[in-house]
Amino acid sequence: NAGVTQTPKFRVLKTGQSMTLLCAQDMNHEYMYWYRQDPGMGLRLIHYSVGEGTTAKGEVPDGYNVSRLKKQNFLLGLESAAPSQTSVYFCASSSFTGELFFGEGSRLTVL
Amino acid sequence: RKEVEQDPGPFNVPEGATVAFNCTYSNSASQSFFWYRQDCRKEPKLLMSVYSSGNEDGRFTAQLNRASQYISLLIRDSKLSDSATYLCVVTPSGSARQLTFGSGTQLTVLP
Repeated sequence: NAGVTQTPKFRVLKTGQSMTLLCAQDMNHEYMYWYRQDPGMGLRLIHYSVGEGTTAKGEVPDGYNVSRLKKQNFLLGLESAAPSQTSVYFCASSSFTGELFFGEGSRLTVL
Repeated sequence: RKEVEQDPGPFNVPEGATVAFNCTYSNSASQSFFWYRQDCRKEPKLLMSVYSSGNEDGRFTAQLNRASQYISLLIRDSKLSDSATYLCVVTPSGSARQLTFGSGTQLTVLP
């Protein structure tokens, strides 16, 4: 039962470096999301997708880009990492019923 | 004012106690409500949906008060394993795309 898988789980970057987080789901869900979670801030939506080939901005999209070339994959890119992007990133997917299934999270530190 | 507000706690209660959390929301058009549970350094997982008529699942009871715009979660006969952060989630139109998370209420059940 893989569900939602995120890679990598941990990463340390230097300011200005780029990286991509990969999210894969095997539940044939239409919707996929990227959230970040910071202490005391709850989960904030970065970008989301309602289907293959579509993406949309969430609450905090600046500094991030996404792509959904295949239904099962949702990529989150940081083109030029900043210390403010140090966070825990969660990918999630859902069907039309709305229940979110989350990955285990990716812990990113930007120095 | 935040869209979804929760008392962050922490709530420290003895085993067997009854504890209740409230979550207020600002958008009167909100349609769907959920409680998620998040263990330390883990991903959130759905605990229960909140229906207009209220719903119960074992020791857990969720209520919705539309007039006062809040949802509640009641945990009876607390167990050590209930220790976690409880997140309320609100969506304005029933669309999974617009889920808004509260910042969570931390519960510790003490032996």
